Amino acid sequence: NAGVTQTPKFQVLKTGQSMTLQCAQDMNHEYMSWYRQDPGMGLRLIHYSVGAGITDQGEVPNGYNVSRSTTEDFPLRLLSAAPSQTSVYFCASRRQGNSPLHFGNGTRLTVT
Amino acid sequence: AQSVTQPDIHITVSEGASLELRCNYSYGATPYLFWYVQSPGQGLQLLLKYFSGDTLVQGIKGFEAEFKRSQSSFNLRKPSVHWSDAAEYFCAVGAREYGNKLVFGAGTILRVKS
Repeated sequence: NAGVTQTPKFQVLKTGQSMTLQCAQDMNHEYMSWYRQDPGMGLRLIHYSVGAGITDQGEVPNGYNVSRSTTEDFPLRLLSAAPSQTSVYFCASRRQGNSPLHFGNGTRLTVT
Repeated sequence: AQSVTQPDIHITVSEGASLELRCNYSYGATPYLFWYVQSPGQGLQLLLKYFSGDTLVQGIKGFEAEFKRSQSSFNLRKPSVHWSDAAEYFCAVGAREYGNKLVFGAGTILRVKS
């Protein structure tokens, strides 16, 4: 009963490097999303997907790319990391409609 | 624009005391609401949810929340706090009219003193 799995748990990047944060869910949820969490700002939506092949931007999409080739996976790509992207990233999924989100345990990213 | 406000950044209560965490929302549609809890280094866990019907909802770990449409509020309560309740609590609001995307409050950090 894995739920939402995020890897890696921690990552340190230098400015300008690229990387992909992985997210996988085994609940057959149509909806998947990425949030970033910063102190005093709660969680802000980066990108989301309502199904395979469909993605859309959230509140803070700049500097991030996503794709959804399968129902299970929703990777988040940083093409050229910046210090402003230092944050904790959460992947979350749910069934369609107003169901509650199920969260992964997060990836703590530091960009120096 | 949709917004969620949690007015209290930090709250400290004594173990055994009652707790109320505030959440106010501003939405141009009929909302549904959640409360989540986050322990250090962990993801968010759902405490309770409100979609419609009875405005007083019960959740896990002895928490409850009351939806008050006239006050645009969804405050979280617990009659007797335990030390293990120390965590950060987030209120979240969504609406079908806004594509069911959840908007989160900034969070309230609860400290429990023995």
